[in-house]
Amino acid sequence: DIQMTQSPSSLSASVGDRVTITCRASQGISNYLAWYQQRPGKPPNLLIYAASTLQSGVPSRFSGSGSGTDFTLTITSLQPEDVATYFCQNFNSAPFTFGPGTKVEIK
Amino acid sequence: EVQLLESGGGLVQPGGSLRLSCTAPGFTFSSYAMSWVRQAPGKGLEWVSAISGAGGTTYYADSVRGRFTISRDNSKNTLFLQMNNLRAEDSAVYYCARRPNTLGYFFDYWGQGTLVTVSS
Repeated sequence: DIQMTQSPSSLSASVGDRVTITCRASQGISNYLAWYQQRPGKPPNLLIYAASTLQSGVPSRFSGSGSGTDFTLTITSLQPEDVATYFCQNFNSAPFTFGPGTKVEIK
Repeated sequence: EVQLLESGGGLVQPGGSLRLSCTAPGFTFSSYAMSWVRQAPGKGLEWVSAISGAGGTTYYADSVRGRFTISRDNSKNTLFLQMNNLRAEDSAVYYCARRPNTLGYFFDYWGQGTLVTVSS
């Protein structure tokens, strides 16, 4: 099974800061990688799929990159509504594993 | 508007059974593969099971294979998860999620979740 790791596990940044979250797969998954945002008490919300394709309706300050084993989610200008936990997910093959999450807070 | 409405959660004793349902108004249900994803309190997301649009192909996480069964009734726009021999570690919010019509099991719509608690 493919294992997903994320770093950091949490971060605190100021409004307007650039934020970068890293996700690593234990083996190559091409670009079969999705990112989700989960606000407290809510279900996850799809942000990006195929590593870099922005889901319809998601603000353009979110972007994704990477291929193979190393991926990045970037928020170019952190906003208060971005306080959430962010998860990556492998969808290359079953089991469709998620990363452990990165909690983003406002400083 | 796409909606996913889970039900069937509750408190069950270890070794017991529960059947979750997810009704899906607002889109052509039979055209979409579906999944169950769970989240233990304060923990991360764990993919549980998936089923193709017609129901002929299913996938399971190792942690539930042999105990859980995913199925669907396309005439009723409903997804099911039959959970048997439940364990304390199965306690979680269970979400149903839709796979968009593209390659790979990622999820563009999620329900609000139903809570399953396994405890004596």
